[in-house]
Amino acid sequence: QSALTQPASVSGSPGQSITISCTGTSSDVGVYNYVSWYQQHPGKAPKLMIYEVTNRPSGVSNRFSGSKSGDTASLTISGLQAEDEADYYCSSYRSDSTVVFGGGTKLTVL
Amino acid sequence: EVQLVESGGALVQPGRSLRLSCTTSGFTFGDYAMSWVRQAPGKGLEWVSFVRGKAFGGTTQYAASVKGRFIISRDDSKSIAYLQMNSLQIEDTAMYYCTRDGGSNYGAFDIWGQGTKVTVSS
Repeated sequence: QSALTQPASVSGSPGQSITISCTGTSSDVGVYNYVSWYQQHPGKAPKLMIYEVTNRPSGVSNRFSGSKSGDTASLTISGLQAEDEADYYCSSYRSDSTVVFGGGTKLTVL
Repeated sequence: EVQLVESGGALVQPGRSLRLSCTTSGFTFGDYAMSWVRQAPGKGLEWVSFVRGKAFGGTTQYAASVKGRFIISRDDSKSIAYLQMNSLQIEDTAMYYCTRDGGSNYGAFDIWGQGTKVTVSS
């Protein structure tokens, strides 16, 4: 059960935009629009930021957006702020009815 | 307020069993699928198991790493989800989070508990 592939780290300056990729296969990201993104600050539980590829839960800033092309999903954060510094994880539903997470990406705000 | 509170984490020896509980409040428990997600120290998130609501047959699924050893269940009358962990291995050491699937039944975990720590060591 291989994890989805994410870059280990990304960085950006305040006000800039960054994009985190999440690459899966034709058995998960490529075939289902059930991709989610989570933000996790150190010592805290994860928080849902995006679900079903593009949808934001109530209360999540519109600076966060999601997209998908083929087997790769992406999370874009615009207008970077210091509080965005955290770990980000993608997840997808799979054709075997399980769920798989990405390895996680550490976002550093310079 | 919607809340998930995990309990039952402990230090246990390899090969032993442990049962985690997830006590919920603030929503109609039976309408939602519930999942367990774990995070080993310093590592990423790993989905462990889910159980769907009665309307979806109460079906269960497991990650390959725990299949045959862990059993997920739910008591809708008490609004509690459980994870029975048998034949525990050192690799099962992790923080275990209880999560609610936001409604799609396909892995959008919109509510998380604070986690309960499981340490497997001799």
